[in-house]
Formats: sequence, structure tokens, C-alpha cells
Amino acid sequence: AQSVSQHNHHVILSEAASLELGCNYSYGGTVNLFWYVQYPGQHLQLLLKYFSGDPLVKGIKGFEAEFIKSKFSFNLRKPSVQWSDTAEYFCAVTDTGFQKLVFGTGTRLLVSP
Amino acid sequence: EAQVTQNPRYLITVTGKKLTVTCSQNMNHEYMSWYRQDPGLGLRQIYYSMNVEVTDKGDVPEGYKVSRKEKRNFPLILESPSPNQTSLYFCASSPSDIFKNIQYFGAGTRLSVL
Repeated sequence: AQSVSQHNHHVILSEAASLELGCNYSYGGTVNLFWYVQYPGQHLQLLLKYFSGDPLVKGIKGFEAEFIKSKFSFNLRKPSVQWSDTAEYFCAVTDTGFQKLVFGTGTRLLVSP
Repeated sequence: EAQVTQNPRYLITVTGKKLTVTCSQNMNHEYMSWYRQDPGLGLRQIYYSMNVEVTDKGDVPEGYKVSRKEKRNFPLILESPSPNQTSLYFCASSPSDIFKNIQYFGAGTRLSVL
């Protein structure tokens, strides 16, 4: 079965620091990859997605992610974080074999002003 | 406004008292799903439905039931809630094949079972 690993459970950064959150998935076939964000007290929102094409995808609020097929990875990056980026970030994957979205365990990001 | 609506947002109940959490979407989506979110475990799928009258188990279906009699509604039923079902629940919908589409999430229902 497909699984998703997010190795950073809690990340604390100062404003303007750079961010990289790791995400690895297990299935080696054709996959679609997502990053969702959950701001405090809110529902999940799509940050960005990769379906095909350019492996470097750009999302909302200055976030980007790079799909590296050989490493089964889809890491999330932002050059300079803001206090408003404080949230929980979830990596997720779907594949052709299963009709479901498999989530990682999430990374809580705290950005101090 | 396109949205997924869950009710109630907060619910406190006691063990064994049947409850239903409603979910409704106004986007004519075929695919709907229920997740529970627990600290350190992320979101885990409970049940999903690919269309009316078509439902299937997700990863953690025990203790839950669903029905899909209409396209827009996908209620989650706990026949006999237990404390281990205390969690944050999200309903989501997607236009069709989940492989090709993003999911839209409701605001969540925080359930406490005493």
C-alpha cells in the first residue's frame, strides 16, 4: 500500500528564514502529489500539486515543491517564511491503483516574528 | 459559493449514543470522502464514495457507517460511539476520479466521546 513519510514533525523558524519540508512516498508507479496546509482552526487548503510536466511546481503564497522521481520525494520549499505561514503542512499522494488520497503525518511549522 | 459543509462543527456526546455528522457539497462532485485527523497520525480515510449508492471502506472504517443516497450528501454515522472515536473529522469532495483531481475539504467536526 502507498505510504507517505514526513520526517519533520515540528519545525520552528524565525521570520525570513528559509524553509524546506521533506516528503517521501513509497509507491514507484505513476503518482500525483500534493501539499495541503491547515492554518490554526481552519480546514485543509491546497498549497500546490504535481500531476505531470515540470517537476518544479509553484503554489500559492510563494511556496514551491520539487518532484524527484528517483528519490520518491516531493519536498516543499519557501525562500523566506512569514509569521502567517504558521500552520500544519501535509504531503499527500494518489496513485493509479487506489481511489484515495494518502496523507503523511504532517509537519507543524511555527514561525516566530 | 462552492463549498463543502459539515454539521455540527463541535459535538460532545456519551458512549453508545448514536450520532450522525452531515456533509453536503454544492459542486456536483462525484467523489466524496471522510477522514479523521489525530495528532501524530495525520489524516486517515474512513470511507469514500465514488458516486451515488457506491461506497467503500478506507483505512479505518471500524465503528463507522456511511450512505450516499444523493450526490450532494454523504453523512457519517456512528452507531455506538466510543471514546477512541474522539477526533477531528473532515469531509471532502472531488469532481470525479481522485487521481486527476484535487479534493475540497469541509471545515471539520470536532467530536468528543465521553
